[in-house]
Amino acid sequence: GENVEQHPSTLSVQEGDSAVIKCTYSDSASNYFPWYKQELGKGPQLIIDIRSNVGEKKDQRIAVTLNKTAKHFSLHITETQPEDSAVYFCAASLGYSTLTFGKGTMLLVSP
Amino acid sequence: DSGVTQTPKHLITATGQRVTLRCSPRSGDLSVYWYQQSLDQGLQFLIHYYNGEERAKGNILERFSAQQFPDLHSELNLSSLELGDSALYFCASSDGQRNSPLHFGNGTRLTVT
Repeated sequence: GENVEQHPSTLSVQEGDSAVIKCTYSDSASNYFPWYKQELGKGPQLIIDIRSNVGEKKDQRIAVTLNKTAKHFSLHITETQPEDSAVYFCAASLGYSTLTFGKGTMLLVSP
Repeated sequence: DSGVTQTPKHLITATGQRVTLRCSPRSGDLSVYWYQQSLDQGLQFLIHYYNGEERAKGNILERFSAQQFPDLHSELNLSSLELGDSALYFCASSDGQRNSPLHFGNGTRLTVT
């Protein structure tokens, strides 16, 4: 089955800096790659997703890039703010199949 | 608010007991997924139902079972509970279409003592 590796496991940045989280996947047939943000005491919340026919997608301060040849995708957060502090999860799936998640990255943004 | 409702929020029970976790999907969503989240294993897929029928099974123990009812709500039953079953259990729903986003509830925290 699919295997998703996520790095780093923790990331500390200063407010205003950029943050990058990287994921690799194993199944070249995977074609859907969402990113979730999980705050303490809450469920994961979808923040952005990308499909395999697109190389990059941007939504305000958040962007995701996908390299299908290398089987990796990344989340980029610019101008980080303290409220961006949370655990971020990447995931991959094969269309109708279930999502396989990475182990998560704890992002801490210091004022 | 994702629109997915899970009850109860917290559950404390003893080893050997049986519990039922409940999930109401977003209005209009036909698919329900159950995930287990523990510190060392991350988010692990348990089972997927679409419009009342089981569609996929993940690493779900034989002591665990689930069903989706005609009104589309779902229940996850955990029996013969062990200490290691302590975790957060999340339900997610989607419209069931290809590459549809999953919307998660806020989970049920199960503590087995």
